[in-house]
Amino acid sequence: SQQGEEDPQALSIQEGENATMNCSYKTSINNLQWYRQNSGRGLVHLILIRSNEREKHSGRLRVTLDTSKKSSSLLITASRAADTASYFCATDASGNFGNEKLTFGTGTRLTIIP
Amino acid sequence: EPEVTQTPSHQVTQMGQEVILRCVPISNHLYFYWYRQILGQKVEFLVSFYNNEISEKSEIFDDQFSVERPDGSNFTLKIRSTKLEDSAMYFCASSDSGAVKDTQYFGPGTRLTVL
Repeated sequence: SQQGEEDPQALSIQEGENATMNCSYKTSINNLQWYRQNSGRGLVHLILIRSNEREKHSGRLRVTLDTSKKSSSLLITASRAADTASYFCATDASGNFGNEKLTFGTGTRLTIIP
Repeated sequence: EPEVTQTPSHQVTQMGQEVILRCVPISNHLYFYWYRQILGQKVEFLVSFYNNEISEKSEIFDDQFSVERPDGSNFTLKIRSTKLEDSAMYFCASSDSGAVKDTQYFGPGTRLTVL
């Protein structure tokens, strides 16, 4: 599979439930970022986790990173209808200076059913 | 909150025509990027720009593409002779070297349609 593969490809849950999306990657990374994209719109940055971090929280979002398994997960708790969107992970490959190109995954299409 | 802006939001052009997509990155950012997303596909890196020069470019970024920072605020992507397969959403992004180093902030995108 390619760098940055999310699973599942699509996820439908009831409002109020938790949503978990996973991302796997192939190469060593500086950091991993999660983005949200509403249909046909821009990419909204959600959270960045560095290679030396294992878990990070931001509001209802929780991101984990397991560099030994080259995988990350994004958990959205207490989902809302407004969370309906596509979610992408993006990796910044290892380098000396950071601020390098991002390699995006294929995305998970999340649908929250009211 | 500062944000990346892009103009136009939608550009329709004839095959073979030149287009210039414009971006205004976040004002104190030093690193600039262009990505594109063909409908239904992944977001793909095109080019990164730092200190007034290209720092990295992908295979997609061939001689038909160029970038420029003509002044202290704008960052442009030019496609010299558009092809049908250039139809995509083009995103500009910027990042800083400070406390939020590496976080890339994206603009809303320009949807380019080549007829």
